[in-house]
Amino acid sequence: AQTVTQSQPEMSVQEAETVTLSCTYDTSESDYYLFWYKQPPSRQMILVIRQEAYKQQNATENRFSVNFQKAAKSFSLKISDSQLGDAAMYFCAYRSAFVSGGSNYKLTFGKGTLLTVNP
Amino acid sequence: KAGVTQTPRYLIKTRGQQVTLSCSPISGHRSVSWYQQTPGQGLQFLFEYFSETQRNKGNFPGRFSGRQFSNSRSEMNVSTLELGDSALYLCASSAGTVGFRAYEQFFGPGTRLTVL
Repeated sequence: AQTVTQSQPEMSVQEAETVTLSCTYDTSESDYYLFWYKQPPSRQMILVIRQEAYKQQNATENRFSVNFQKAAKSFSLKISDSQLGDAAMYFCAYRSAFVSGGSNYKLTFGKGTLLTVNP
Repeated sequence: KAGVTQTPRYLIKTRGQQVTLSCSPISGHRSVSWYQQTPGQGLQFLFEYFSETQRNKGNFPGRFSGRQFSNSRSEMNVSTLELGDSALYLCASSAGTVGFRAYEQFFGPGTRLTVL
């Protein structure tokens, strides 16, 4: 079974600064998808960024980028120019690319990292 | 496009009762997944439905069940409620067909269930 570990329960950053959230995962599969979700205090889970494991290039979405190290099974999220609206719980998630057998339609989440942005 | 909607947003029940939660996916999405979120256990997968068929089920007791209708709307039911069932229940929809983007999950606001 796949597992996702977020080793930083809480992080804080100054407004306009850069912060990196860590995520490691364990899998024996070669093809999979990785995601970062953001859950603000309003509780609506929002997809921040996605990465396909077979793509070498790191994904970027505006101020959000990832550092995907497949061999190390690491998938960190970098937030540049942090804004007050970035304050939220961030979840790293894994999904298998193999969908046969009925066991791979789910997302496996880490425990989350609570990000505080200080003005 | 309207997002994923969940009703009700808040529920208070007592032990032993049963509850039904509803989820309407994004128009055109055929897959609906349910997750339970608690402070202790985090986000845990309950089950996933696609075209009215359950494709995948998490490690939850049989008191947790679900179904999906022909219009892709889904309901989950919890019978004989226990205190530990208090949680935020999240529903997520996706296109559910082939391809990376088709499996991206979009979440609803959740239903906060409190069991007294």
